[in-house]
Amino acid sequence: AQKVTQAQTEISVVEKEDVTLDCVYETRDTTYYLFWYKQPPSGELVFLIRRNSFDEQNEISGRYSWNFQKSTSSFNFTITASQVVDSAVYFCALSGDDKIIFGKGTRLHILP
Amino acid sequence: DVKVTQSSRYLVKRTGEKVFLECVQDMDHENMFWYRQDPGLGLRLIYFSYDVKMKEKGDIPEGYSVSREKKERFSLILESASTNQTSMYLCASSPGFLAGAASYNEQFFGPGTRLTVL
Repeated sequence: AQKVTQAQTEISVVEKEDVTLDCVYETRDTTYYLFWYKQPPSGELVFLIRRNSFDEQNEISGRYSWNFQKSTSSFNFTITASQVVDSAVYFCALSGDDKIIFGKGTRLHILP
Repeated sequence: DVKVTQSSRYLVKRTGEKVFLECVQDMDHENMFWYRQDPGLGLRLIYFSYDVKMKEKGDIPEGYSVSREKKERFSLILESASTNQTSMYLCASSPGFLAGAASYNEQFFGPGTRLTVL
């Protein structure tokens, strides 16, 4: 069965520090997709990225970067030079049988 | 931009009441989903639909039903609300013509409905 583990339930860092959110997944599928979502205090989940299992290139988007490593079944998310607006709950997710399986989320606090 | 709207941000109901949560999307998406979100449990899928009048049970369908009479609208029904259904309810939609597409396309979420059952 597919599973997503976000071991860090809550992280606090001081503004401008870099922070990495860990995501480890389990699947028997050879083709699958991984996602990251952000849920700010307003409550609405916002899609950040989708990556398919055949594309192991790291991706960078501004201060955000993602490190996909099939060998360790991980899809980690790094925020560089964090800002207070990055405070949110972040969810990692994995494609499953006709649905997306979400991790339990990591609550990130960026302290001014 | 994709817009997913939910009928209420906050809702307070009494035990035993029938509750309707409405979700509407404006991007002609085939797939729609209902989740509930509880502290420490993350998002749990209640039901989803990949076509009009089609519905599939998610991980926690007990105590809920759904209706999808039109492509843009997906309703979640609590037949007889109970206190353990107090939660945040999130609706989402995603594109894709095939049932499997519900798993590999990104989902767009509504703002959520915080339901309290007294």
